[in-house]
Amino acid sequence: SQTIHQWPATLVQPVGSPLSLECTVEGTSNPNLYWYRQAAGRGLQLLFYSVGIGQISSEVPQNLSASRPQDRQFILSSKKLLLSDSGFYLCAWSVGGLAEPHQETQYFGPGTRLLVL
Amino acid sequence: KQEVTQIPAALSVPEGENLVLNCSFTDSAIYNLQWFRQDPGKGLTSLLLIQSSQREQTSGRLNASLDKSSGRSTLYIAASQPGDSATYLCAAVSGSRLTFGEGTQLTVNP
Repeated sequence: SQTIHQWPATLVQPVGSPLSLECTVEGTSNPNLYWYRQAAGRGLQLLFYSVGIGQISSEVPQNLSASRPQDRQFILSSKKLLLSDSGFYLCAWSVGGLAEPHQETQYFGPGTRLLVL
Repeated sequence: KQEVTQIPAALSVPEGENLVLNCSFTDSAIYNLQWFRQDPGKGLTSLLLIQSSQREQTSGRLNASLDKSSGRSTLYIAASQPGDSATYLCAAVSGSRLTFGEGTQLTVNP
């Protein structure tokens, strides 16, 4: 069966510090991978998605970046965190190989709660 | 741009009651509509996915319907239980992206 892992579970970082959140998927190959942010009162916002190694699509302009160094590894990074980066970050995967991502059921990880002070 | 709205934002019911959660979307050209459940501080769990060509999907006590022409979907929960307490989110897939509503926070009281 497929599983998705995220770490760390919780992170408290000062403004201006770097960030690296990791997501890995097991039990499937060539998945589509997604990073979402859920901020209080703002719903779930898609940040990045990837249909393959090294292929990253950005949905919103921000000081965050994403990378996919391996088939089942997705990393969210920042060089300098802002207060507004606080939120709950969720990674998700769906079956890959389709012409359009997002069209299959997405399976979410447990999330990382980030607090920037 | 697709916009998804969920009403009500919060709902509290006694155990055993049947209930309906509503979801509306502005762009009817959707590929599918998905319902998720989120427990406090946790990730999302997929509940049901309705393709644009379908009118409803069922899983156990859950039934989701889709009316593309009116831009609406409903999630029906039969015989609610305290374990159903969670936030329920709907999401519409259109234009190669998934747009979420802000969710309905459901509390089922024993």
